[in-house]
Amino acid sequence: GNSVTQMEGPVTLSEEAFLTINCTYTATGYPSLFWYVQYPGEGLQLLLKATKADDKGSNKGFEATYRKETTSFHLEKGSVQVSDSAVYFCAVWGGATNKLIFGTGTLLAVQP
Amino acid sequence: DGGITQSPKYLFRKEGQNVTLSCEQNLNHDAMYWYRQDPGQGLRLIYYSQIVNDFQKGDIAEGYSVSREKKESFPLTVTSAQKNPTAFYLCASSIAGNSYNEQFFGPGTRLTVL
Repeated sequence: GNSVTQMEGPVTLSEEAFLTINCTYTATGYPSLFWYVQYPGEGLQLLLKATKADDKGSNKGFEATYRKETTSFHLEKGSVQVSDSAVYFCAVWGGATNKLIFGTGTLLAVQP
Repeated sequence: DGGITQSPKYLFRKEGQNVTLSCEQNLNHDAMYWYRQDPGQGLRLIYYSQIVNDFQKGDIAEGYSVSREKKESFPLTVTSAQKNPTAFYLCASSIAGNSYNEQFFGPGTRLTVL
């Protein structure tokens, strides 16, 4: 079945540092890929998505590129802010399973 | 404003009691979902519904039940058969149950069994 593996946290960075959160997936066919963000005490919000190979999703300075050859969808941001502190979830949708499969989440803490 | 509401935000239950968590959406979405979130784990799917009067079990349906009598509403009942119900419960909805539509999430209900 489909699965997602993302780097364990917490990831602690200083403000304006470069962020990478790794995400790899296993899936049959051509799944859609997502990054969600969860701020403390809240539900999840879609951050960005990509639906086919080589697509780049982007939002609020975050980017991720759908790499089918490496089955990866790493999240990047060039300069993080304290307000980016949250838990980030990578997710994959496999058509055959008709479900969204989430990774375990990566806690990002940005210090001023 | 369109969105998903969940109530209550915090819920306490004694062992052996059933409890129902509310989820309402005014987005006119066909599909609705219930997830459970435990510390250090991803979200696990409990139940989902792609259309009114129809729903399917997710990965961890044991000890839970749902109904979908109205398009806007998808309540989740945590029964006394659920062995470890203390968790954060998230409801979500999407236009339809396919891959191109994002899932919109409610703010969650934190259930604690005393």
